[in-house]
Amino acid sequence: EAGVTQFPSHSVIEKGQTVTLRCDPISGHDNLYWYRRVMGKEIKFLLHFVKESKQDESGMPNNRFLAERTGGTYSTLKVQPAELEDSGVYFCASGQNSYEQYFGPGTRLTVT
Amino acid sequence: AQSVTQPDIHITVSEGASLELRCNYSYGATPYLFWYVQSPGQGLQLLLKYFSGDTLVQGIKGFEAEFKRSQSSFNLRKPSVHWSDAAEYFCAARRNTNAGKSTFGDGTTLTVKP
Repeated sequence: EAGVTQFPSHSVIEKGQTVTLRCDPISGHDNLYWYRRVMGKEIKFLLHFVKESKQDESGMPNNRFLAERTGGTYSTLKVQPAELEDSGVYFCASGQNSYEQYFGPGTRLTVT
Repeated sequence: AQSVTQPDIHITVSEGASLELRCNYSYGATPYLFWYVQSPGQGLQLLLKYFSGDTLVQGIKGFEAEFKRSQSSFNLRKPSVHWSDAAEYFCAARRNTNAGKSTFGDGTTLTVKP
């Protein structure tokens, strides 16, 4: 069974540009989560999808971040425009029930 | 507010020595508790988890953790560390009522000396 996949693995963009991160959850998992780790600090929750609906988006830092989950399958996280403080590692996780969260390898975003 | 604390930012141990990584949590009720490991260039791998029941849980790679309600702790242990254990370790907690978000500690980086 394939795990959670994320694309790209690394993205380098300039301040003010737009970047879109993609997450493909494990097939059949209704729950999908985005987290990020900025500047070596703790991993922080961004938002939680149940199928295509946003269950909890309390961790989204501001309106420059837009997350979508098309048809309850893969998800994208767009940052527009990117700022220097957005640099970090963005993790996606998926799970089928309340016990599980399987994490992807992360996307390292560098904003210069 | 819910929080997870890992007091040690960096720990160095000799290969073959025992290891204990500390984790304390602050939640309204006992949460689900997890330990993850992240090796360089890799994603987060689940080492073990505690939901209820036996307070000593066994995980992969020879790790174990003990839940202590009185101390709000969930410390990770390994009796004999291998060089391949060098990585960053994260303690995390989730409410035990729904499939919601996890709260993570800052992480502890483990260095293993030969």
